[in-house]
Parts: sequence; structure tokens; C-alpha cells
Amino acid sequence: NAGVTQTPKFRILKIGQSMTLQCTQDMNHNYMYWYRQDPGMGLKLIYYSVGAGITDKGEVPNGYNVSRSTTEDFPLRLELAAPSQTSVYFCASSQQQQASYEQYFGPGTRLTVT
Amino acid sequence: AQSVTQLDSQVPVFEEAPVELRCNYSSSVSVYLFWYVQYPNQGLQLLLKYLSGSTLVKGINGFEAEFNKSQTSFHLRKPSVHISDTAEYFCAVSSSASKIIFGSGTRLSIRP
Repeated sequence: NAGVTQTPKFRILKIGQSMTLQCTQDMNHNYMYWYRQDPGMGLKLIYYSVGAGITDKGEVPNGYNVSRSTTEDFPLRLELAAPSQTSVYFCASSQQQQASYEQYFGPGTRLTVT
Repeated sequence: AQSVTQLDSQVPVFEEAPVELRCNYSSSVSVYLFWYVQYPNQGLQLLLKYLSGSTLVKGINGFEAEFNKSQTSFHLRKPSVHISDTAEYFCAVSSSASKIIFGSGTRLSIRP
């Protein structure tokens, strides 16, 4: 089991460029999440999905889009990159049948927008 | 609404000394409580969790936490830390699979 994988590990974008952060899980989890982590701020939820074809906004969704066409994949799209989107992005997954809602995290993508 | 407060942003301790990382939460409904650890340049991994039952919860790497409902706290403890425990620790609360709130983190640094 690879768990949750994310690509790329690092990326530098210019203002106004777009990119997609990839996330894949092989645990057949129905829930998937995208977080951003800024220094001293903990993790903020961007979007989450309760299953293929179903997504919903989290705490900080502006400037991002997501899709969930399969159980395994949950890509995060930045359309017009801004310096405020410089952050570390984490994808996570969990299984609803696990009553504890424990989340499993990927290794992160470090994004810099200049 | 739910919230999590980690009272210390940084905690320096000497190797083999005990440590306590503090976490307080607020919620109007029953919650599950978690501690996650993040080693440098890695994602978060679960240290331990409280669901119900015994208020003392044991986790990996010798850590434990105690749930105190009256004080709405879930402090993390370890009796003797090692250099390898250097990491950032996050407390979190959850009342549903779609809603987990993380604290701002406590950076634990171990001095030899």
C-alpha cells in the first residue's frame, strides 16, 4: 500500500499561471480532503469530497477548484496563481465506516508563487 | 462551532526529560480528539486518538494523552523524550468525517 501520494513535491509558479496538484489514494477511502498549511497557522481545509462526483467547500476555497471522478483521485486546480497561495498543500483521506474519522495524509506539495 | 487552542507554539526540552503539550478545545457536541505529529518535510501522521471510554489514551512512540471533559482539555505527555521526537504536534477535534479542526501546532525541540 502506497497510502496517499501527491505530485509534484515542489513547484514554483509565476503570478497568473495555473496548475493542478495531483492526489491519489489506494485505500479505497470514500472521503478525501485538501488542506493548506501556512507557518504558525495549522491546517486549513480548502475542499473535501465524500465520494466520486461529490465535492464541497471547506474553510478557504477561493482561488481553487476540485473534481472527483474516481474514488482514488482528487486533483486540486489553481487557475490564476497569486502570491497568497504560496503554501504547503496536503491531501488526506479517510473512511466513513471508521467511526473515528482518522485521516491519512500525503507528503505534501510545497508551492511558491512569485 | 468548534475550536482548538494549542497553548504553546514552541516547547524546548532536554533529552530524556518529560514533556507536556497542552490542548484545549470547545464544542457544543460530542467530539473525537486526536494528536497528529509532523516530522520535518513530511505529512501528518496519527499519534493517538480518543473516541470514548478510558480517558487515558496511549499512542505510538511512548506518547499518551488524557481527556478531561470538565476542563475541555486533551494534553499530550511523554515521560522521557528523545532527539527523534523533534517535530511539530497538532491537536485536532472532529464531530463528523467532513469536519475536523486542527490547532495551530506546537513545535517540540529536543536539546541534547
